[in-house]
Amino acid sequence: EIVMTQSPATLSVSPGERATLSCRASQSVSSNLAWYQQKPGQAPRLLIYGASTRATGIPARFSGSGSGTEFTLTISSLQSEDFAVYYCQQYNNWPRLTFGGGTKVEIK
Amino acid sequence: EVQLVESGGVVVQPGGSLRLSCAASGFTFDDYAMHWVRQAPGKGLEWVSLISWDGGSTYYADSVKGRFTISRDNSKNSLYLQMNSLRAEDTALYYCAKAGIPAAAGAFDIWGQGTMVTVSS
Repeated sequence: EIVMTQSPATLSVSPGERATLSCRASQSVSSNLAWYQQKPGQAPRLLIYGASTRATGIPARFSGSGSGTEFTLTISSLQSEDFAVYYCQQYNNWPRLTFGGGTKVEIK
Repeated sequence: EVQLVESGGVVVQPGGSLRLSCAASGFTFDDYAMHWVRQAPGKGLEWVSLISWDGGSTYYADSVKGRFTISRDNSKNSLYLQMNSLRAEDTALYYCAKAGIPAAAGAFDIWGQGTMVTVSS
């Protein structure tokens, strides 16, 4: 099983600031990496797939980068609606799909 | 509107059985693989099971293999999860999720709102 490790566990950011979230895979997942946003009481929402492709309707302030074992999700200027938990997920090791433990982005 | 609506979650005793359902609408259901993903209270996400577009291939997480069975009825645009020999650690919100585009079929591009399964005596 590929283990996905996200850091930090909690990120405190002021509105308008940049947020950088990290995700590391225990072995290479190529670019088969997705990011999700989950707000309290809601289902997760797909933000990024293929490590860097934004899903339909996702604002341009969300960007993904990386390949192999190191990945980053960047939110360029945090809006109030962006405070949430973010998960990375690998789909290279099909069908054993695995998620990271999540990063909570909170208001500073 | 693309939509997934789960149902069937209840409180069940350890060792019991349960069948979850997921009704799909707004997209061509039999064009896509479908997944079940679960989330224990206050915890992260765990992939549970996958079924191919035609139901011909199924896959399971080790934690549920031999106890859960995924199925689908394309004539009814519906996905199912039969859960047997339930354990306390199966307590979670169960989401059905649609597989993404072929190049990213392992990503989940549409999620339902989930149905809660509680295993407790």
